[in-house]
Order: sequence, then structure tokens, then C-alpha cells
Amino acid sequence: QVQLVQSGAEVKKPGASVKVSCKASGYTFSSHYMHWVRQAPGQGPEWMGMINPNGGSTNYAQKFQGRVTMTRDTSTNTVYMELSSLRSEDTAVYYCARLAATAIRVLDYWGQGTLVTVSS
Amino acid sequence: DIQMTQSPSTLSASVGDRVTITCRASQNINTWLAWYQQKPGKAPKFLIYDASSLESGVPSRFSGSGSGTEFTLTISSLQPEDSAIYYCQQYKSDYTFGQGTKLEIK
Repeated sequence: QVQLVQSGAEVKKPGASVKVSCKASGYTFSSHYMHWVRQAPGQGPEWMGMINPNGGSTNYAQKFQGRVTMTRDTSTNTVYMELSSLRSEDTAVYYCARLAATAIRVLDYWGQGTLVTVSS
Repeated sequence: DIQMTQSPSTLSASVGDRVTITCRASQNINTWLAWYQQKPGKAPKFLIYDASSLESGVPSRFSGSGSGTEFTLTISSLQPEDSAIYYCQQYKSDYTFGQGTKLEIK
């Protein structure tokens, strides 16, 4: 069965960086784009960007351009999302989510979420 | 950027009621719309894609309709387990979610 398992909660100081991992299993890793979505407390989800595990190309939301980097390791079926220059507004649960298919562009499987808290 | 606006923000209904949630896009998105259900402490779960196609395993009491800029999610006979927050999401241009509709059971 498809599983996306994310790394554990993080506490960071303003100005620092955080790197969250997402290990995929139960399907062909290179066949599905992986997206990152965050959700601040009490807010709706916010799309951050995506990576194509087959080749590593990325597409980032304009809001996060210059601050976010998504990478992948095909030897371990893991994708990573690094966010830099953290500020308090970045406190949120960060999810990885698999794109169902290029013809069905919805997010069909999600990780369990990683809480990132930014506080001095 | 395409903005998504849901109404109402909160909805309270009884078991067995028919419930409708509306989602409006700031520009034409054809039928590039999905609906998700989120329960406390959990990741969103996708229910419907392409505005009206039901994901496999989702109960048939859920249905979606609409095109262009106006969309609806309907639950034909509300069940206790349907208590959740529902989000619409466009995928015509990047991805944008609505702010959510919290559905409570009376």
C-alpha cells in the first residue's frame, strides 16, 4: 500500500532553515510527482511547490521562490523540502502529497504531516 | 493567481440532511477542481476530482458539480462521520485551496 512517512517535528529560531523529509513506499517512486503543502494553525492548506522524482525538476509557488528547495534521493525513495530564512509566519504543519497522475492532477496520498514551529 | 472562495464558512446540519457547500473561483477553471475532507489532526483526504468524478471508495452520498467559476459539493444524506472541514482546490494553474467549510453535526 502507498505510504508517505515524514520526519518528526522541528523547532527553529527565526532566520534558521528547516529540512523535512518524506519517504515513499508501495508504488513506483519515479512515476508520480511529489508536492509540498503547508497548513498554518486554523488555516486552509497552502501549496508550496512540487518535484518530479524522475529527473528532479521543480516548480515552486511564487510566494516561496528563493526560500524553498525541493530535492529527491532515488536510492532511498525520499523527497526533501528545505525552507530557509524562517519567520514566525512559517509555523505550520508541512505535508508531502503525491500527485495521482498527470491526467488526474489531484493529491491522492498524503504524509502524516510535520509540525514546524518557529519561535525565538 | 487564482483565488478560491468557499461558503459558508461553518455549517451545522442534522443526520440525514442534504448539505451543499459552494466554491467560487476568481477566474474560469473549467472543471479543474477537487474536493478534500479533513478531520482534526489528519491530512486532507481527497474525495472528488475534475469537479464531479468520485474517487474510488468514497461513499456515493458525496457528489460534485459545476464548471467555470461556480462549484458545489453535496452530501445527500448527512452521516455522523461526515463531520469535518471541506476544502475545494483548483489545479488549472498551479494549486490553490479554498479557506474551508467546517461541517458540524447537530
